[in-house]
Amino acid sequence: AQTVTQSQPEMSVQEAETVTLSCTYDTSESDYYLFWYKQPPSRQMILVIRQEAYKQQNATENRFSVNFQKAAKSFSLKISDSQLGDAAMYFCASVGGSEKLVFGKGTKLTVNP
Amino acid sequence: DAGITQSPRHKVTETGTPVTLRCHQTENHRYMYWYRQDPGHGLRLIHYSYGVKDTDKGEVSDGYSVSRSKTEDFLLTLESATSSQTSVYFCAISESYRPTDTQYFGPGTRLTVL
Repeated sequence: AQTVTQSQPEMSVQEAETVTLSCTYDTSESDYYLFWYKQPPSRQMILVIRQEAYKQQNATENRFSVNFQKAAKSFSLKISDSQLGDAAMYFCASVGGSEKLVFGKGTKLTVNP
Repeated sequence: DAGITQSPRHKVTETGTPVTLRCHQTENHRYMYWYRQDPGHGLRLIHYSYGVKDTDKGEVSDGYSVSRSKTEDFLLTLESATSSQTSVYFCAISESYRPTDTQYFGPGTRLTVL
C-alpha cells in the first residue's frame, strides 16, 4: 500500500520569499505519479504540479517547482516569490499501478505581508 | 476548470436521517470518486465508479453507499447519518484509472450531523 507523509502541519513565509514544503512517500510500484494540490479557503482542490516517477527532470510550473529525490522517496514543493494568494493548505498525493490516489495530511501555508 | 458541481454545498441534518449528496459532471469522464476530508486525515477515498452501474469501495466505505445510473451523475448516500460522518465531502473525476490521468475535484459539500 502507498503512504504519503507531510511532516510540516504548518509553514509560514514572507511575501516575495521562497518556501519549501516537504513530502515523503512509500510505494512498491515501479511506475507511479506524484502530485501537489492546493486547497485555498474556498475549499476547492486545485492541481499545482505533477511529477512522473520515470522522469528524472524535476517538474516546474511558473513559480512552483519540485525537488524529486526518487531514491530517498522525497517530493518537496518549492514556491518562489511567494504571493498572498499562495496561502492555502497544500496536499501531497501519490498514485501508481492499481492503487488509488493517496493523500498526505496537508501543510497549512501562511503568507505574511 | 473541469465542469464538476456538487449539491448541496452545505447541509445540516440529524443523527439517523438519510442523506444523499450529488455530484454532476459535464466532462463525460468515465471515473468518478467520493472523498471525505477531516482535520488531521487529509482526503480519504470512500467509493469510486468506473462506469455506469460499476462501483467499488475505497478506504472508508462503511456507512456509505453510492449509485451511478448516468455517466454524469454519481450519488453518495448515508443511509442513517451519524455524527462521525460530519465532514467535507469532495467529488472528483478522471478520464481513466491510469495514473497519467489527473483527478479534478468539485467544490465540496460541508455536511454536519447533529
